[in-house]
Amino acid sequence: EDQVTQSPEALRLQEGESSSLNCSYTVSGLRGLFWYRQDPGKGPEFLFTLYSAGEEKEKERLKATLTKKESFLHITAPKPEDSATYLCAVVIGNTPLVFGKGTRLSVIA
Amino acid sequence: SQTIHQWPATLVQPVGSPLSLECTVEGTSNPNLYWYRQAAGRGLQLLFYSVGIGQISSEVPQNLSASRPQDRQFILSSKKLLLSDSGFYLCAWKGTYEQYFGPGTRLTVT
Repeated sequence: EDQVTQSPEALRLQEGESSSLNCSYTVSGLRGLFWYRQDPGKGPEFLFTLYSAGEEKEKERLKATLTKKESFLHITAPKPEDSATYLCAVVIGNTPLVFGKGTRLSVIA
Repeated sequence: SQTIHQWPATLVQPVGSPLSLECTVEGTSNPNLYWYRQAAGRGLQLLFYSVGIGQISSEVPQNLSASRPQDRQFILSSKKLLLSDSGFYLCAWKGTYEQYFGPGTRLTVT
């Protein structure tokens, strides 16, 4: 059973059409939840860390939120350059990060 | 500031040939280092991590090995490549809890 599940697997938006990506986790003892952006053929780029339920982080058109069992990455008025795969990961205790499989976002002009 | 390098960027190798991928980190000392493989539809798979020189933890049994000969150098190796070793290999170093990734190496085994 996957510990971190991201949905949807793929999302296609029109430019300016806001939406949210979901990351749910089944583990307990969460130390942190992380969002990354990955462009094709490149390494993941770190975006946000969330440590506790109720926490929010923002960067340009992106806002990440965290509840006790899931996180949302809200994308407001996306542009074509926001097209990428967005990865979610969690850390429990001193273990390495556990990644979800990602959501492929396409923003069409 | 910290930077992480990987080379080569791309590699095409025949089945049965050896492999050596290198990762180096600048701007930090004694970092935790990680090797991942990314295959389509399977997400990021942790292969090895290291908390210090000569200290390697393996996450999955496989055809690969890792070494850390210097504080900021992490090497991924194989004696004989398999077709299933093809993929995108990523090295990362650990900050507080988050990890920072290198540019990756695309390995194709033919």
